Amino acid sequence: KNQVEQSPQSLIILEGKNCTLQCNYTVSPFSNLRWYKQDTGRGPVSLTIMTFSENTKSNGRYTATLDADTKQSSLHITASQLSDSASYICVVSAESYGQNFVFGPGTRLSVLP
Amino acid sequence: DTGVSQDPRHKITKRGQNVTFRCDPISEHNRLYWYRQTLGQGPEFLTYFQNEAQLEKSRLLSDRFSAERPKGSFSTLEIQRTEQGDSAMYLCASSSHRTSGSSEQYFGPGTRLTVT
Repeated sequence: KNQVEQSPQSLIILEGKNCTLQCNYTVSPFSNLRWYKQDTGRGPVSLTIMTFSENTKSNGRYTATLDADTKQSSLHITASQLSDSASYICVVSAESYGQNFVFGPGTRLSVLP
Repeated sequence: DTGVSQDPRHKITKRGQNVTFRCDPISEHNRLYWYRQTLGQGPEFLTYFQNEAQLEKSRLLSDRFSAERPKGSFSTLEIQRTEQGDSAMYLCASSSHRTSGSSEQYFGPGTRLTVT
């Protein structure tokens, strides 16, 4: 069964600190992996997309890594800001041309001053 | 604003009533997706369209749910005889499907449905 798991379920950190969120998946055949940021009450916004051949991608203070062999991804946030407080959702696509996006449950990040 | 828009943003209805939501995708996008998201969970796929054709429906989409995209532009999602379990955020997303590579999905702000 295609599944995406994320850990931790929730995380609280102080402003300025770094953190790493984890994503494990069993989706096959793998096409690409995306990280989204979702503010409360809003739709998800894309942070990164990685295909099979990419093992790291950065978007400002966000850096995503992908290990397609172990089927794991991480999202590292550097020098956290209060505005980073949100849910971070890992999404894995099973087919390049289909709609088969499998969403993880998300990690709820709270950044405190 | 040229992003994905959804209307209404919030809807409160009584059990048994019908509701209809609208999604306006980014204008040049040919694919449109509907998702449902409950509190603390990631979005769950409901259905998607390529132009006006509805290509796939999830088993989550019961007979009470119907979606249309009559002219390949905006889409509507209707829920008939609403139940309390239908309470959720309904998200719409659109993408410009390419024959190769990864298509980025852009999400709307969602419609929050509360069934009392």
